[in-house]
Amino acid sequence: AAGVIQSPRHLIKEKRETATLKCYPIPRHDTVYWYQQGPGQDPQFLISFYEKMQSDKGSIPDRFSAQQFSDYHSELNMSSLELGDSALYFCASSLEGRRNTGELFFGEGSRLTVL
Amino acid sequence: EDQVTQSPEALRLQEGESSSLNCSYTVSGLRGLFWYRQDPGKGPEFLFTLYSAGEEKEKERLKATLTKKESFLHITAPKPEDSATYLCAVQASGNTDKLIFGTGTRLQVFP
Repeated sequence: AAGVIQSPRHLIKEKRETATLKCYPIPRHDTVYWYQQGPGQDPQFLISFYEKMQSDKGSIPDRFSAQQFSDYHSELNMSSLELGDSALYFCASSLEGRRNTGELFFGEGSRLTVL
Repeated sequence: EDQVTQSPEALRLQEGESSSLNCSYTVSGLRGLFWYRQDPGKGPEFLFTLYSAGEEKEKERLKATLTKKESFLHITAPKPEDSATYLCAVQASGNTDKLIFGTGTRLQVFP
């Protein structure tokens, strides 16, 4: 079965550079979520989109922005990168009608390292 | 402040040795409590959703229960392939997509 696809899987950037992460949800899923997980930490909710509109916003820095496109894929743009941005970034998808079940399908994550 | 606390942080079990993982939570109105499994370097994998106190869900060797303050994930006769980090998360009532995760319990099952 198709899963959530994230790219790139690994990314190394210097401080103050920019990075873009991409997420392709499971076909027919209309809701995308972004989570950040630091080393040994719990996943932190960043932002979500439903039908290409921002649905909810969490602890996403102002330096970060995201959007969902007409084909439902999503991109997380990060600028002025800081050392503390080094983390695993997970994208998850779901059907809007199922989001109350918490049954999110997570991708394998994009590991960002900021040097 | 909405919060999830999991214990123990790590648990080592012999194969076949049953045990329970705890998830304590405080939330301003609970929409749902969720259990996920996470393997190293992978994304969390959904296991269960519990909505109200007294509810129980089962899947193979796993059974999740819920009270008004905590949830337990019972593992019966675990196998080495059950080794993973088990994450608990809550979603508050209201118009929010946010799941609040605990830091997880890292389970190792030895043959």
